[in-house]
Amino acid sequence: DAKTTQPPSMDCAEGRAANLPCNHSTISGNEYVYWYRQIHSQGPQYIIHGLKNNETNEMASLIITEDRKSSTLILPHATLRDTAVYYCIAYGQAGTALIFGKGTTLSVSS
Amino acid sequence: DAGVIQSPRHEVTEMGQEVTLRCKPISGHNSLFWYRQTMMRGLELLIYFNNNVPIDDSGMPEDRFSAKMPNASFSTLKIQPSEPRDSAVYFCASRWTGAYEQYFGPGTRLTVT
Repeated sequence: DAKTTQPPSMDCAEGRAANLPCNHSTISGNEYVYWYRQIHSQGPQYIIHGLKNNETNEMASLIITEDRKSSTLILPHATLRDTAVYYCIAYGQAGTALIFGKGTTLSVSS
Repeated sequence: DAGVIQSPRHEVTEMGQEVTLRCKPISGHNSLFWYRQTMMRGLELLIYFNNNVPIDDSGMPEDRFSAKMPNASFSTLKIQPSEPRDSAVYFCASRWTGAYEQYFGPGTRLTVT
């Protein structure tokens, strides 16, 4: 699976949009971009995934660049409960396991 | 569904003792994963099973660690003998092979003194 690079930490004011970047310049054509988050002391939680097109669900939006070398996870109105570590994973081999990097620690403050 | 169930949630044991962690995956999921998380090393994959068969155990740190999946609804991770450096949070996750999303349990916090 392709290696991803994320900033170690980010801050966001409550109510504002949180934009979390991820670089995956070596991603291959069949690899999806996955985002998970881990709230303190809990197991990681799936947020969203995409291949080429932008995706949106009730939790977040995922914007993938046309060359697929980077992506941005958008939390449109961050709340204090969104404070967590966010993991970006490039993954394409069905039947194998997700491999987690260090992620980005997002701190949302009032 | 109750989600992935892990037991115990907390375990404190003395060095040298045997420790058994348990996991019940989500019904219908046929892939199961064991991860370990520490501050130093982050979230590491230990082993995973597809259809109850171990596929990749390259993440198992050493022979003191063993994992079994006797049936589709139960898995164990055993450490014998335990050492202080095994102290960590151990997560179990499951997935239906046809999907990419993995669902994680709440974890077992292991402390070896």
